[in-house]
Amino acid sequence: EVQLVESGGGLVQPGRSLRLSCAASGFTFNDYAMHWVRQAPGKGLEWISGISWNSGNIPYADSVKGRFTISRDNAKNSLYLQMNSLRADDTALYYCARASTIAPRLFDYWGQGTLVTVSS
Amino acid sequence: IVLTQSPGTLSLSPGERATLSCRASQSVSSSYLAWYQQKPGQAPRLLIYGASSRATGIPDRFSGSGSGTDFTLTISRLEPEDFAVYYCQQYGISPPGTFGGGTKVEIK
Repeated sequence: EVQLVESGGGLVQPGRSLRLSCAASGFTFNDYAMHWVRQAPGKGLEWISGISWNSGNIPYADSVKGRFTISRDNAKNSLYLQMNSLRADDTALYYCARASTIAPRLFDYWGQGTLVTVSS
Repeated sequence: IVLTQSPGTLSLSPGERATLSCRASQSVSSSYLAWYQQKPGQAPRLLIYGASSRATGIPDRFSGSGSGTDFTLTISRLEPEDFAVYYCQQYGISPPGTFGGGTKVEIK
């Protein structure tokens, strides 16, 4: 069974940093691209970043470019999101999602999310 | 590319037919259009990809159609577990991965 479990969320002050993790199991992690998608409270879904299986292709949404860094450790079956210079509008539930083999940004499995709250 | 979903909220009774619309600001290449379902407190679930192909394990009461800029998700007979928010997503045109604003299907 495919499982994605996010962790690392919490309350953080504006301007500070936070690192999210996603532990993957139930599939061959290094065969798949992985992504982070966020959802602000009561709002819709926003793709923010993805990473290819070999970390060779790493796109970002304009809203996080230069502040967030995605990475992965295939030996640990883990995906990460380093978030720097956090702002209030980064407050959201952050989901880890697996890319389908059908297309790079079609997401066939999602974790339950980890909540990031940016507030003073 | 902007995806506009309508209506914002659909109030229906179990057993009724639901028709959800997703309109793109420009043509979606190769029908790279997907639909996701999200229930309260849960992660999104992939329902439809390629505009009309059901994902693994999705009941056949869910169907997708459309091409170009106009797409539709139809739920033939609403079951109690189908009341949720539905999002469309295009995964073809740069930047791929854009989601629509969602349609909430609520119990009338």
